[in-house]
Amino acid sequence: DARVTQTPRDKVTEMGQEVTMRCQPILGHNTVFWYRQTMMQGLELLAYFRNRAPLDDSGMPKDRFSAEMPDATLATLKIQPSEPRDSAVYFCASGFENYGYTFGSGTRLTVV
Amino acid sequence: ELKVEQNPLFLSMQEGKNYTIYCNYSTTSDRLYWYRQDPGKSLESLFVLLSNGAVKQEGRLMASLDTKARLSTLHITAAVHDLSATYFCAVGYDMRFGAGTRLTVKP
Repeated sequence: DARVTQTPRDKVTEMGQEVTMRCQPILGHNTVFWYRQTMMQGLELLAYFRNRAPLDDSGMPKDRFSAEMPDATLATLKIQPSEPRDSAVYFCASGFENYGYTFGSGTRLTVV
Repeated sequence: ELKVEQNPLFLSMQEGKNYTIYCNYSTTSDRLYWYRQDPGKSLESLFVLLSNGAVKQEGRLMASLDTKARLSTLHITAAVHDLSATYFCAVGYDMRFGAGTRLTVKP
């Protein structure tokens, strides 16, 4: 089965460090989402792209987060500088709006 | 801003019983998605509902969408333990998620 690949699976970093999370969408999918999941806030939309164009990144703290799709096979989410409150599981999903989306396994980020 | 409310947030039910999970949303949308998440795992797509009156069924789960009432339901028939999970609805092109319903099915 085709899958969305996220790397790294786990990341522990110190406050102030830069963190980059990567997502390889399923080949041919035209839409990519980034979400953050925490117990307190649930699933928060951070950003999403269609045909590599950003459609909405209003959920991201702009001063520290950035999301890009340098090509159709890679989406990245960067946090600089990271803070303890950024600790969460970050999910990427890809698919088509009329057919649903496949989620990756997530990146568990811990900022100490 | 779109608000998505699910209820109940927690549901404990016995095997063999039927129950319904509700997903209400605050602004007009013609599409809604249902997902399942097992503890510590990723999300799995269950249903995609794309129009008013849409109904989809898979096994013991049936989902429906009423866009005029801004309501979707996920109906569970004759629950089994394997259905224990957290169920999420997500609304709109930008897939805004509800808080989830944690379902526990007991023998």
